[in-house]
Amino acid sequence: EIVLTQSPGTLSLSPGERATLSCRTSQSVSSDSLAWFQQKPGQAPRLLIYGASSRATGIPDRFSGSGSGTDFTLTISRLEPEDLAVYYCQQYGTSPPYTFGQGTKLEIK
Amino acid sequence: EVQLVQSGAEVKKPGESLKISCKGSGYSFTSYWIGWVRQMPGKGLEWMGIIFPGDSDTRYSPSFQGQVTISADRSISTAYLQWSSLKASDTAMYYCARPLHSGSPAPFDYWGQGTLVTVSS
Repeated sequence: EIVLTQSPGTLSLSPGERATLSCRTSQSVSSDSLAWFQQKPGQAPRLLIYGASSRATGIPDRFSGSGSGTDFTLTISRLEPEDLAVYYCQQYGTSPPYTFGQGTKLEIK
Repeated sequence: EVQLVQSGAEVKKPGESLKISCKGSGYSFTSYWIGWVRQMPGKGLEWMGIIFPGDSDTRYSPSFQGQVTISADRSISTAYLQWSSLKASDTAMYYCARPLHSGSPAPFDYWGQGTLVTVSS
């Protein structure tokens, strides 16, 4: 089973700043098989990025994904108050289980 | 419009059985995997397993194998998650979700609203 480790655990930034979230996998993951989700309080998760760098439908271009192998990054440029959420990475490689990271909580000052 | 509508919140006692549901609409139910994700109170997302309603092929996370059963009824476009004997540690929100596309493995793009299961004596 592939283990995903996200850092930092919590990130506190001001509106307009840039957020950089990291996801490291215990084994190499095809760049086609890494996704990022946003979960706002009281809501179901929402797919942001798939294939490491492709934005899902309706996702603003402030959100971007990058990385390959075992190191992946979600970048949120120009933070807005509505970006307050927990962000999860997930690998969905060739065989299940398609594990999630433990999450990064983004706080907006 | 793709929709996944889950059954309502449940309050159960330890040792009781439970089956929660997830009804899909707006797409070909038998052509897409459908999965279940657990979120314990204040915790992260845990991938439990997936089923392909077209042929009932089911895959489980080792953490959940033998603890739950995932099934589907193609005739009513509904997937299920069931327990034969609940524990207090099963208290959580459970989400069903459908992948982005029907081909190779894909992340969940459509999510149900969640079913809160509370197990308490």
